[in-house]
Amino acid sequence: AQSVTQPDIHITVSEGASLELRCNYSYGATPYLFWYVQSPGQGLQLLLKYFSGDTLVQGIKGFEAEFKRSQSSFNLRKPSVHWSDAAEYFCAVGDTNAGKSTFGDGTTLTVKP
Amino acid sequence: NAGVTQTPKFRILKIGQSMTLQCTQDMNHNYMYWYRQDPGMGLKLIYYSVGAGITDKGEVPNGYNVSRSTTEDFPLRLELAAPSQTSVYFCAIGTANNQPQHFGDGTRLSIL
Repeated sequence: AQSVTQPDIHITVSEGASLELRCNYSYGATPYLFWYVQSPGQGLQLLLKYFSGDTLVQGIKGFEAEFKRSQSSFNLRKPSVHWSDAAEYFCAVGDTNAGKSTFGDGTTLTVKP
Repeated sequence: NAGVTQTPKFRILKIGQSMTLQCTQDMNHNYMYWYRQDPGMGLKLIYYSVGAGITDKGEVPNGYNVSRSTTEDFPLRLELAAPSQTSVYFCAIGTANNQPQHFGDGTRLSIL
């Protein structure tokens, strides 16, 4: 069965600093991978997705993620964090056959002024 | 969120009551999903649908029922509400590669 682990429950960074959120997955083949962001009281917004091809994926709001098959990872990065990036971030792995996704438990990002 | 509308936004139920959470989309996508999100956790799939008239169970279907009579609507029904069903419920639709791409703003449900 597929699974997703987000090792960091909570991360705090200073505004303007770089950010990396970790995501490790378990899946039997090449997965579909996603990162979502959730602001308080809101639904999830898709930041970026990986289906195939180039392993470095660009998303919205200046985020990018890199798929590393050898490490079963799909870490999210941003070179310079803004205060508005404070939110909950979820990594998800999609079942390529059935159209379902398994979500990690999320990482809460706090941005210090 | 554009494209997926959930109603109501908030609801308090008593134990044993029933209710239907509504989800409507205007993007004409075949795949629709219902998730629940408990505090501090990721989303768990309750049911999903690959098109009108076709539904299937997800990871946590017990205590819920769904129907999909049209492409636009995918209601989720709670029968005999229990405190364990207190959660935030999200509806989503599938676009590229039929993965959940667009989410509604959620229904916050408390059962007392």
